[in-house]
Amino acid sequence: GAGVSQSPSNKVTEKGKDVELRCDPISGHTALYWYRQSLGQGLEFLIYFQGNSAPDKSGLPSDRFSAERTGGSVSTLTIQRTQQEDSAVYLCASSFDRDQPQHFGDGTRLSIL
Amino acid sequence: AQSVSQHNHHVILSEAASLELGCNYSYGGTVNLFWYVQYPGQHLQLLLKYFSGDPLVKGIKGFEAEFIKSKFSFNLRKPSVQWSDTAEYFCAVKDSGGYQKVTFGIGTKLQVIP
Repeated sequence: GAGVSQSPSNKVTEKGKDVELRCDPISGHTALYWYRQSLGQGLEFLIYFQGNSAPDKSGLPSDRFSAERTGGSVSTLTIQRTQQEDSAVYLCASSFDRDQPQHFGDGTRLSIL
Repeated sequence: AQSVSQHNHHVILSEAASLELGCNYSYGGTVNLFWYVQYPGQHLQLLLKYFSGDPLVKGIKGFEAEFIKSKFSFNLRKPSVQWSDTAEYFCAVKDSGGYQKVTFGIGTKLQVIP
């Protein structure tokens, strides 16, 4: 009965480094979302996976951001050549289907020095 | 630990009716408060937020919310709903200090009948 699991919970890295954030959705959930929350802002949608369909990447802020979802389960969000403005909490959510309630992980707090 | 309660899980209104969705939170510190909306088949979108200042916050699409600190409440209102407001609405709270966990309510499904 585990919920959505994200790792690491905290990440501090230097500007210019690449980072990889992981999300383990609830088993059986076909929909997976990535959001981020920057300081002083609300949630910002990044990317959405639904089953085997092509992901909705419309929220990715730049080509330094990419995400994949292997085998319809675990997802990784990769940020290349990190910048200070990438500092935020990155939240992952999953749902049984696209119209079902989203369950959120605890997030990864990313700090770029 | 912080928690968020949304008391109305499913609300059905006719067009032009007024809307008020309740949200209460429990937390001992200073908070930031949010309302998010999820339209059918879409991702969450920010409707409005309160960080400080005027406790009456106006958001997109005619929505507003009032932060009443003494009641630990942040109710969402709209004077006249439209069919296009049919969606699920989530209240959320986080500690105001830096990067803290966001806690969401379970959501309220709003169905507006034409």
